[in-house]
Parts: sequence; structure tokens; C-alpha cells
Amino acid sequence: EIVLTQSPGTLSLSPGERATLSCRASQSASGNYLAWYQQKPGQAPRLLIYGASSRATGIPDRFSGGGSGTDFTLTISRLEPEDFAVYYCQQYGSSPLTFGGGTKVEIK
Amino acid sequence: QVQLVESGGGVVQPGGSLRLSCAATGFTFSYYGMHWVRQTPGKGLEWVAFIRYDGNNKYYTDSVNGRFTISRDNSKNTLYLQMNSLRPEDMAMYYCVKVGASGTTRGAFDIWGQGTMVTVSS
Repeated sequence: EIVLTQSPGTLSLSPGERATLSCRASQSASGNYLAWYQQKPGQAPRLLIYGASSRATGIPDRFSGGGSGTDFTLTISRLEPEDFAVYYCQQYGSSPLTFGGGTKVEIK
Repeated sequence: QVQLVESGGGVVQPGGSLRLSCAATGFTFSYYGMHWVRQTPGKGLEWVAFIRYDGNNKYYTDSVNGRFTISRDNSKNTLYLQMNSLRPEDMAMYYCVKVGASGTTRGAFDIWGQGTMVTVSS
């Protein structure tokens, strides 16, 4: 099983600042099948990034994904008020599919 | 509008059974693999089961294998999860999720339902 470790657990930033979230895999994520999701309270997760770096439909270009192998990042270039949420990474290349524990981006 | 709507959650005693349903609209259901994913405050997001677009391949996480059965009825655009021998640790919000790419077993989860809550308690 591929274990995904996200850091930091909580990121305290102000609107307009840059957010960099990390996701480290215990072994190489096959084919860069790595996705990022955003979840707000009381809502289901929403797909942001797939294939490590491709933005999902309708996702603003301030969200970008990068990395390969075992180290991946999600960057939000300039935080908007609606971006404060919990972010999860997920690998979907090998079974069992696994998620990271999440990074909460909160308003400083 | 692409939409997934789950139903069937509720309160059940340990050892009991529930069947979850997920009604799909706005896309050609028979073209896409589907998953069930659950979420608890303590364990976060956990993948539960997957079924291929034609129903011919099914995969489960170890903790539910042999107790849960994923199935689909493409004529009714509906996904199911039969849950037997329920345990307290199965208590969670259960989401029905669509694979983003058609005709493949690998794809990110592009559409999520709103979830249905399963409570296992005596």
C-alpha cells in the first residue's frame, strides 16, 4: 500500500499569499497518477488536479500541481477567500487507492 | 448537469446490513468506472470499492472484502453498495464517485455525490 504523507498539517496564511502544500509517497506513484482535492466544511471533496499537474475542468489557474515519483506539490499562487479549506492528495495508480491525511489552509 | 445522488444510509446495529444506492444523471453512466469512498473524522478519506464501467471487474479495500459488494445497473444508471456484517469502524459518510476518464480503471475522481451517512451503533 502506498502511504501518502501531507505536510504541513495546517498552513496559516493571509489572502493574497502563496500556499505550497506537500505530498510525499512511500513509494513511487505509478504513472504520476496523483490527484489533489479541495474540501470545504459540509461538502464533498472537489477535484483540483489530476495526473500530478493537469487542472480539472473549471479550476482557476492560480492552482498548480507539480512533482513526480514520490514528491508532489500543490501551489496556490495567490490565496482567495474561498480557497481556505482542507486539501487532500490521492494516488490512483495502484490498489488500494490511498489518500493523504490532509492539509488545512486557514486564515491567519 | 452531471450529478450523483446517494441514498440508503442510516442507523444499523453491529452485524446488520444496509444497501446504499447512487443515482447518476447528466452523463453516460455505462461508460465510466465508479467508486465508493468513505470519510470519518478520525481516519479521513478511505477508498472502499471500485467497479468497472461494464461491471466485469470489482476491487475492494481489504477491510471490507467479503462483507461489502459493489454492483451497478447500467439500465437504471445506478450504483450500489451492499454492506453486510457491519462493524462500528464502518461508521462513516459514504460517497459515490465517478472516474474522470471513460473506459478505464484508472482515473481521478472528478464527480462526487453529497454523501450518505452510515451509523453503526447498538
